[in-house]
Amino acid sequence: NAGVTQTPKFRVLKTGQSMTLLCAQDMNHEYMYWYRQDPGMGLRLIHYSVGEGTTAKGEVPDGYNVSRLKKQNFLLGLESAAPSQTSVYFCASSYASQQGLHYGYTFGSGTRLTVV
Amino acid sequence: GNSVTQMEGPVTLSEEAFLTINCTYTATGYPSLFWYVQYPGEGLQLLLKATKADDKGSNKGFEATYRKETTSFHLEKGSVQVSDSAVYFCALRAGDSNYQLIWGAGTKLIIKP
Repeated sequence: NAGVTQTPKFRVLKTGQSMTLLCAQDMNHEYMYWYRQDPGMGLRLIHYSVGEGTTAKGEVPDGYNVSRLKKQNFLLGLESAAPSQTSVYFCASSYASQQGLHYGYTFGSGTRLTVV
Repeated sequence: GNSVTQMEGPVTLSEEAFLTINCTYTATGYPSLFWYVQYPGEGLQLLLKATKADDKGSNKGFEATYRKETTSFHLEKGSVQVSDSAVYFCALRAGDSNYQLIWGAGTKLIIKP
């Protein structure tokens, strides 16, 4: 029972390079999210998706793009990395009951990204 | 707008001490409230939740009661252990948002033997 799997776990990029972070969930969850976590700032939502083929901007979307081509996968892309994007990135997924209630998120273990 | 405010950390306690981590919120409608825990090097895990006023969530010896009159959801544990050292996040799902969580900044807890 893998839950939410993020790859890679660590990455160092040079300024201007691009990369894609992969998030995969095997729980058939409809909703998926990408967050960044920085010291003293808690979790900030980058982008999210409410279903296959849909994405939306969160609190801090600039410099990132996402895609949800398959229900189980949610990709986060950095087209031209900047040092300000050095952070720990977390993916999460959630589902809604028939009553529309959400009972919390399942998180991946994170990707630590350093941009030099 | 919706927001969550947590006490600033780090909170440092000795083993077997009583723990309280304060959390207050501002929200429209009738929010659901959550506590998540993040152990070093790991992602966040749901610790407990409460979906309506006066509900008490509990898990692993931790408790929190949803107090609508004081808009609070304080986390408590009667006797902490070294293994409880982690970062604790309070979060809410507002009544007008059917899936997004609003997060507090997190409180780091350090338990000394």
